[in-house]
Amino acid sequence: GQSLEQPSEVTAVEGAIVQINCTYQTSGFYGLSWYQQHDGGAPTFLSYNGLDGLEETGRFSSFLSRSDSYGYLLLQELQMKDSASYFCAVKRGWGKLQFGAGTQVVVTP
Amino acid sequence: DTAVSQTPKYLVTQMGNDKSIKCEQNLGHDTMYWYKQDSKKFLKIMFSYNNKELIINETVPNRFSPKSPDKAHLNLHINSLELGDSAVYFCASSQDLLSGGSTDTQYFGPGTRLTVL
Repeated sequence: GQSLEQPSEVTAVEGAIVQINCTYQTSGFYGLSWYQQHDGGAPTFLSYNGLDGLEETGRFSSFLSRSDSYGYLLLQELQMKDSASYFCAVKRGWGKLQFGAGTQVVVTP
Repeated sequence: DTAVSQTPKYLVTQMGNDKSIKCEQNLGHDTMYWYKQDSKKFLKIMFSYNNKELIINETVPNRFSPKSPDKAHLNLHINSLELGDSAVYFCASSQDLLSGGSTDTQYFGPGTRLTVL
């Protein structure tokens, strides 16, 4: 079957580092994307891994291991504005994204 | 300039009614999507159009009918609304799947919160 697993919630203090893991079981895998969504807002694109390895974009990094069907999003130097839901999404071809259930990140002072 | 816009932002209606949600994008993208996000924030694709052609049609009740008059617009019409249709509906767009970047980054509209009473 098709499934994506990610933790439901992570809490951390400002300035900390948070890693959100995503494991997937799916057919037609082309890559793994990450999206951020603030409460009441729209999902916004953060990063994409089409190949194994680490992609870095400012304070955020994303990693993919195809052999392990596993990826993660790393949030560094956490800020209050990073409190949001983070979704991993498998690209299954033809623009088709299958989203995980999302991880609520709560940043505390 | 808003990249992907949707109207209305909020929609409250009675069971059994028919309603439409409109979406427009000014990014020049060829592919547009409709997603449904339920109360648990689970985001699921419903439909996708590429250059006005339907390319993705997930298992969605046929009370839901998308329509793309041109590649910049994708509307969603819902007949005989049910309580379970209450959700946030997001429109999104991405570059042409054949000529665009490998990420197919999707740009989401602000969402339409539909409440069926």
